[in-house]
Amino acid sequence: AQTVTQSQPEMSVQEAETVTLSCTYDTSESDYYLFWYKQPPSRQMILVIRQEAYKQQNATENRFSVNFQKAAKSFSLKISDSQLGDAAMYFCAYRSAFRVQGAQKLVFGQGTRLTINP
Amino acid sequence: DGGITQSPKYLFRKEGQNVTLSCEQNLNHDAMYWYRQDPGQGLRLIYYSQIVNDFQKGDIAEGYSVSREKKESFPLTVTSAQKNPTAFYLCASSIIPGQEFLISSGNTIYFGEGSWLTVV
Repeated sequence: AQTVTQSQPEMSVQEAETVTLSCTYDTSESDYYLFWYKQPPSRQMILVIRQEAYKQQNATENRFSVNFQKAAKSFSLKISDSQLGDAAMYFCAYRSAFRVQGAQKLVFGQGTRLTINP
Repeated sequence: DGGITQSPKYLFRKEGQNVTLSCEQNLNHDAMYWYRQDPGQGLRLIYYSQIVNDFQKGDIAEGYSVSREKKESFPLTVTSAQKNPTAFYLCASSIIPGQEFLISSGNTIYFGEGSWLTVV
């Protein structure tokens, strides 16, 4: 079974600075998807960024980018120019790309609580 | 607007009572999921369904039941057998694997706004 590990329960950063959240995963599969979700105090799960394992290029969405190291099974999230609205729980998640029963479910890490200091 | 609607937002359950959480989606997704989130924890899968009239147990299905009579709807019943039901419940949906090429965001799972369940 796949597992996702986020080793940083809490992180903090000064507004306008850059912060990196860590995520490692364990899988024997070769094709899969990785995601970062943001959960603000409202508890809504918001997709921040996604990465297909077959793509070598790291995904980027405005101020958010990832460092995907497939061999090391590492998937970190970098937030540039941090803003107060970025404060939230961040979850790393894994999803298989295979068409087998149950493969499409998301496996989540435990989350990292990010605080932005003004 | 397309999306996932969960209701109610807050629900209170008495001991020994069954309660049902509603989840409706108008995204034309085949797959639907129920996740449970406890304070300070990640999400754990309760049940999922890939097609109407079919569903599978997730990691923590004991004490829960579901039905999938319509593509748009996937209600979750928390039964009296669930001894510790107080939690935040999230419903989600997606297209099924193999169809990701149809849309650019095909590999993504979308979530509703969640429901809080408290035992009183």
